[in-house]
Amino acid sequence: NAGVTQTPKFRILKIGQSMTLQCTQDMNHNYMYWYRQDPGMGLKLIYYSVGAGITDKGEVPNGYNVSRSTTEDFPLRLELAAPSQTSVYFCASSSRLADRTYEQYFGPGTRLTVT
Amino acid sequence: RKEVEQDPGPFNVPEGATVAFNCTYSNSASQSFFWYRQDCRKEPKLLMSVYSSGNEDGRFTAQLNRASQYISLLIRDSKLSDSATYLCVVKGTGGGNKLTFGTGTQLKVEL
Repeated sequence: NAGVTQTPKFRILKIGQSMTLQCTQDMNHNYMYWYRQDPGMGLKLIYYSVGAGITDKGEVPNGYNVSRSTTEDFPLRLELAAPSQTSVYFCASSSRLADRTYEQYFGPGTRLTVT
Repeated sequence: RKEVEQDPGPFNVPEGATVAFNCTYSNSASQSFFWYRQDCRKEPKLLMSVYSSGNEDGRFTAQLNRASQYISLLIRDSKLSDSATYLCVVKGTGGGNKLTFGTGTQLKVEL
């Protein structure tokens, strides 16, 4: 059981480039999330999804896009990368089952540098 | 005011010490409360949920005071392996099981 996997682990982008961060979970969770974590800061929610075909903005969505075509996958797209998007990106998922509804399981993160 | 506030630390304590972390939250309608642990350069993981009656898991005790909007975590008999950042986490009233994370309190347990 792999849980939540993210690729790539590290990436360096030039300003203006685009990329997609991949996230896959094998726990059949309905809910998936993308966060960014800047040094000394808490995790900030970028986008989330409550099921395939449904996505919604979080606290800091500008500069990002997401899609959820399957239950398992929730890719995050960065268009026109900017230095302000240098961060660690975490994908997470959670179940809708009553007994463990609120626990979010996190992937190992993607460390992105934009220069 | 931040939604979830924590003292960033670091707390440097000797092995075997008892250490307490505090957290306040601003939304009185918040429903559920948690402590997550994050090791250096790793992903956060759930440590324990926090209930109004207080709850204990081994050396860890969590307490919630809804009237004061205050959450605490007590670690007894600290181990070197407890060194990590402890995140106070609050679930609000919106849908999607969204969580709000504090910035974390760093704990360093030393010999």
